[in-house]
Amino acid sequence: EPEVTQTPSHQVTQMGQEVILRCVPISNHLYFYWYRQILGQKVEFLVSFYNNEISEKSEIFDDQFSVERPDGSNFTLKIRSTKLEDSAMYFCASSLGQMAFTLHFGNGTRLTVT
Amino acid sequence: KQEVTQIPAALSVPEGENLVLNCSFTDSAIYNLQWFRQDPGKGLTSLLLIQSSQREQTSGRLNASLDKSSGRSTLYIAASQPGDSATYLCAVFNQAGTALIFGKGTTLSVSS
Repeated sequence: EPEVTQTPSHQVTQMGQEVILRCVPISNHLYFYWYRQILGQKVEFLVSFYNNEISEKSEIFDDQFSVERPDGSNFTLKIRSTKLEDSAMYFCASSLGQMAFTLHFGNGTRLTVT
Repeated sequence: KQEVTQIPAALSVPEGENLVLNCSFTDSAIYNLQWFRQDPGKGLTSLLLIQSSQREQTSGRLNASLDKSSGRSTLYIAASQPGDSATYLCAVFNQAGTALIFGKGTTLSVSS
């Protein structure tokens, strides 16, 4: 069964550094999402992306964050200048359509900012 | 702003019991509701999706119901097994249909 792939599985970075988290969504999917989960807390929506533009972003997704679909397969989340509070598990998800279709999640990238 | 609440936060049951997990949401204008399972250190696995026009969905030992007018959903697990131990997350699409909003989850432990 096709799946969403995220790399790396774990990334450690120093405060102030830029990080890029990578995702390969399921190939025929059209809608893409990033979520984060701080340890012990709920899964929080960051951003949704369709047709090469952002559909919606949460208040968490400030100017430090950006997303890109640089080619036909990858979907990336960039954090420009990481803060300690950015430490979390970041999940990528994709879906075939919008509301009528379930989201398929990757296994996540654990980001640790020191 | 849509808020999703799940009760209880944690539940421990012996193997074989039937159990119910509860989810409530503040804005009844939803497009669909989804239940996911999350295993420790892993991603989220979709279990059931209920469209806003539907009342329930079934998959194997799982049955999810939706009462949109009261802002509630339940996930019923029949004949629980140790392999069902995980965190169960309820999520609803926001009014614009552009973001799936999650509850904090119910952590289930089934003992053999």
